[in-house]
This record gives sequence, C-alpha cells and structure tokens, in this order.
Amino acid sequence: DTEVTQTPKHLVMGMTNKKSLKCEQHMGHRAMYWYKQKAKKPPELMFVYSYEKLSINESVPSRFSPECPNSSLLNLHLHALQPEDSALYLCASSTSGTPGGEQFFGPGTRLTVL
Amino acid sequence: GEDVEQSLFLSVREGDSSVINCTYTDSSSTYLYWYKQEPGAGLQLLTYIFSNMDMKQDQRLTVLLNKKDKHLSLRIADTQTGDSAIYFCAEGVNAGNMLTFGGGTRLMVKP
Repeated sequence: DTEVTQTPKHLVMGMTNKKSLKCEQHMGHRAMYWYKQKAKKPPELMFVYSYEKLSINESVPSRFSPECPNSSLLNLHLHALQPEDSALYLCASSTSGTPGGEQFFGPGTRLTVL
Repeated sequence: GEDVEQSLFLSVREGDSSVINCTYTDSSSTYLYWYKQEPGAGLQLLTYIFSNMDMKQDQRLTVLLNKKDKHLSLRIADTQTGDSAIYFCAEGVNAGNMLTFGGGTRLMVKP
C-alpha cells in the first residue's frame, strides 16, 4: 500500500458544527502532516507529527485540533470554523528523521464553511 | 530566509518540450522536489534531486540544478494534454523534512 487516503472528500459545515477530517497511511511512515491550501496558492503547513507526537504547530488557531491516535492515522478536529477556513486540506506522510525524505500527499478534503 | 519563486503560467503545444523554472534562496537545501497537482486533487511527487547533483533524468522528465545560481528547472519532453496541471517546486531545508513550496506554475498544453 503506497498511498495516503483522506476522508471525506468533500465537507460542508456551518460555523457552529464540529467535524473531523481523517487521514490514513500504511507505508510505515512515522511523520504525518496537515496542510491547508487555498485556491491558486501553494500548500501551507499547519501541523507535523513525528512518532505520534506533535512536533510542529505553525501558529494555527485553536479551532483546528490535530490528533494522532497511532502511527497510521491522523485526524484534524474542526470546531467553530470561519468562512475563511474554506480550503483544500491536505494530509501528507514521510519517513521521519531522514533528511530530505519525500512527502507523499493524500487527495485532500475540500472544506466549505458556510 | 527561505523563498522559492516560480513563474505563474506556461503554455505549450502538444508534442513540444516544456521547461518550468524555479529559484530558491536557501543554500542549505538538501533536496529539491517537483510536485504536480491536477485540478481538485492532491500533490503528486514527480521527482526530486539531491543538492550535490546537477541533473536527473526520469523518462520524459529532466531536472537540472544550478546550485551556484540557486536555479532549478523541470523539462518535460513530448508534452501531452495530460501534463496540464500546476507544478510546484519545493525545497527541503532540514532533517525535519519541512518543505518550502514555490507559488506554482500552471502548465497549459494546447492540442
């Protein structure tokens, strides 16, 4: 299995909803990432987990809450989002601790906040 | 500081070669990557080059690296309509595998 999967593919939510995005990989990678991508822009790093521990939080608002239940799964819990949070949310994984290890991306979840 | 720049747009005819350029500023980069993103999809890793290499070829793709000028290019031979996408270059600057992306180049291939 050489892919990163993400669910759901599309999500529409109101500003008072709570929802979660899910990411899964079975490549034995020990680093997993969340990125946010707005239209016609490059991905922006949000969080990095290394060996199931949060290693980087790029000053992301607390309405985004990541969770790494095990080495294969990564969640992003969403609560009280704003319309400007609408974007493509991408998950990626890589072999942790290896300089220059390439990141493999999932297909993304297209989030719309009404 | 880290800054990766690309031209916004490139249009070529089917069968021609495409050359997408990228410049970066961080001389400590160890790997440089090219990713492809089709509409509504995630990023697909196309190829990468280690910073001590000048060139890497992989089927229709050729990556050239000029480390002195901090210039990276991706050449796609015999460009097809299926190559139409946004191409991002990215540099990896430390052991944490953090990537800095360029703004992306939209490649349009005309039949």
